[in-house]
Amino acid sequence: AQTVTQSQPEMSVQEAETVTLSCTYDTSESDYYLFWYKQPPSRQMILVIRQEAYKQQNATENRFSVNFQKAAKSFSLKISDSQLGDAAMYFCAYRSVIYNQGGKLIFGQGTELSVKP
Amino acid sequence: EPEVTQTPSHQVTQMGQEVILRCVPISNHLYFYWYRQILGQKVEFLVSFYNNEISEKSEIFDDQFSVERPDGSNFTLKIRSTKLEDSAMYFCASIETGGSGSPLHFGNGTRLTVT
Repeated sequence: AQTVTQSQPEMSVQEAETVTLSCTYDTSESDYYLFWYKQPPSRQMILVIRQEAYKQQNATENRFSVNFQKAAKSFSLKISDSQLGDAAMYFCAYRSVIYNQGGKLIFGQGTELSVKP
Repeated sequence: EPEVTQTPSHQVTQMGQEVILRCVPISNHLYFYWYRQILGQKVEFLVSFYNNEISEKSEIFDDQFSVERPDGSNFTLKIRSTKLEDSAMYFCASIETGGSGSPLHFGNGTRLTVT
């Protein structure tokens, strides 16, 4: 079974600076998808960025980028020019591409990010 | 942009009572999910639903839980006899196809409090 591990329960960053959130996963599959979701205090789950495992190029979305290391099974999220609105819980998630897996997401434990003004 | 909607936003119930949480997935989506998040903890998969039947369920999803798509639009989660430990945020999610890289679309959640 696949597992996702986020080893940093809490992180803090100064406004306008850069922070990296770590995520590792375990799988025997060669193709899969990885996601980062943001959960602000409202508890809504908001997609930040996604990565297809077959793509070597790291995904980027504006100030958010990932460092995907397939061999190391590592998928870290970098937030550049941090803003106060980035403060939230961030979840790393894995999805199998196998049809009969039903497309469920497997989440890590989450990292609570605080942004200091 | 289409959204997944969940009702109610907050439900308070007494231990042992039945509760039904409701969700309206995005209309052209085919796969539906329920997740649970106990306060301060990780988001846990409960069940996936496709073609009017459960496609996968977790160990959490025991006989006290059931899901239904009664009318082609609503997707419900029923807990027959609630326990204190069922207190959590429950998220409904949907996706167009199961094996694609499209992200799950989550509703805003229902906070269930069991007293």
